[in-house]
Formats: sequence, structure tokens, C-alpha cells
Amino acid sequence: QVQLVQSGAEVKKPGASVMLSCKASGYTFTSHAITWVRQAPGQGLEWMGWISGYNENTLYALKFQVRVTMTIDTSTSTAYMELTSLRSDDTAVYYCARSTIRHPYGIDVWGQGTTVTVSS
Amino acid sequence: DIQMTQSPASLSASVGDRVTITCQASQDISNYLNWYQQKPGKAPKVLIYDAANLETGVPSRFSGSGSGTDFSFTISSLQPEDIATYYCQQYDNLPLTFGGGTKVEIK
Repeated sequence: QVQLVQSGAEVKKPGASVMLSCKASGYTFTSHAITWVRQAPGQGLEWMGWISGYNENTLYALKFQVRVTMTIDTSTSTAYMELTSLRSDDTAVYYCARSTIRHPYGIDVWGQGTTVTVSS
Repeated sequence: DIQMTQSPASLSASVGDRVTITCQASQDISNYLNWYQQKPGKAPKVLIYDAANLETGVPSRFSGSGSGTDFSFTISSLQPEDIATYYCQQYDNLPLTFGGGTKVEIK
């Protein structure tokens, strides 16, 4: 079955960087894009960006454009998201999600999420 | 950016009640809308895609309707396991945007 398995929880100090991974299985990785979404404690869902599994094109939310880098490794069917210059308000659960075949920006499957805590 | 206005922010209903949540987009998004269920500590789960299509395996008491700017999501007979927060999300254009969520509780 289609699965996205994300890396484990991270605790970082302000100013540090974090790289999260999202390993896909059960489908052809290059046929779907991966979207990253985050959710701060008790808050709603916030789109961070999108990376094509086919040609690695990326589209980032304006808010994160200077601090985020999304990459993929097709040999291991893994997507990565690096966020730099971490601040306390980056504390959140970060999700990867698979885009659908029928629409490049649609979402159908989510990873379990990775908790990132930014604290001095 | 397309703004998604979801209401109500919370509701309390009895088991067996019909529950409806609405979502309004700030511009025409055709039918490019998902409805999600999120339980505490869990990832969102797609219930409805393309505004009205039930995702495989989702109980038929869940339904969605609408197109353009006005959408609704209905639970025809609320069950105890439906306690969760529900979100709408447009995927007509980037950035993807979500409604603020509706927390559903049992009365």
C-alpha cells in the first residue's frame, strides 16, 4: 500500500537548520510530486512548498522561500526538506504528502508527521 | 493567495445528528477542493476530493458538494468516532490554502 514514512522528532536551537526526510513506498515515486505542510501547536495547516518527483522542479511559499530547500532522491524514493535559521515559531509538526495523478497540486496520502521543537 | 473561510469554528452535536460545515473560497476554484479529517496527534486524512468524491474506504455518511466558491461538507449521522477537526483545502492554485478548521464534538 502507498506509504510515506517520515524521520523522527528533532530538537534544535534557534539559528540552527533541520533536514527532514520522507520515504515513499508502494507507488512509482517519479509519477507524483511531494508537498510539505506544517502545523504549529494548536494551529491550522500551512503549505510550505512542492517538489516534482518527475523533474525536481520546486515551488515554495513566499514566506519560506529564503529558508527552505526541498530535494528528492529517486534512487531511494525519498524526499527531503531543509529549513534553515530556525526560530521558536518554527516549532511545529511537519508533514509530507503525495500529490495525486489527476491534479498536480491535489493531495491524497500524508506521512505521519515529524515534530520539530526549536528551543534554546 | 486564495482565502478559504470555513465555518463554524466548532460545533457540538448529538450522536445521529446531521452535521454540515461550509467553506467559501475568495475566488473561483472550480471543484478543486479536499475535505480532511484530523484526529489529535494524527495526520490529516482525505475524506472527500474534487469537492464531492468520496475517497476509497471512507464511510458513506460523509459527503461533499459545491463548486466555484461555495462548498459544504456533511456527516449524515454523527458517530462517536467522527470526533475530530475537519479542514477544507483548495488545490486550484498555489499556494495551497486551508480553511481554519471545524472542531466537532459530541453533545
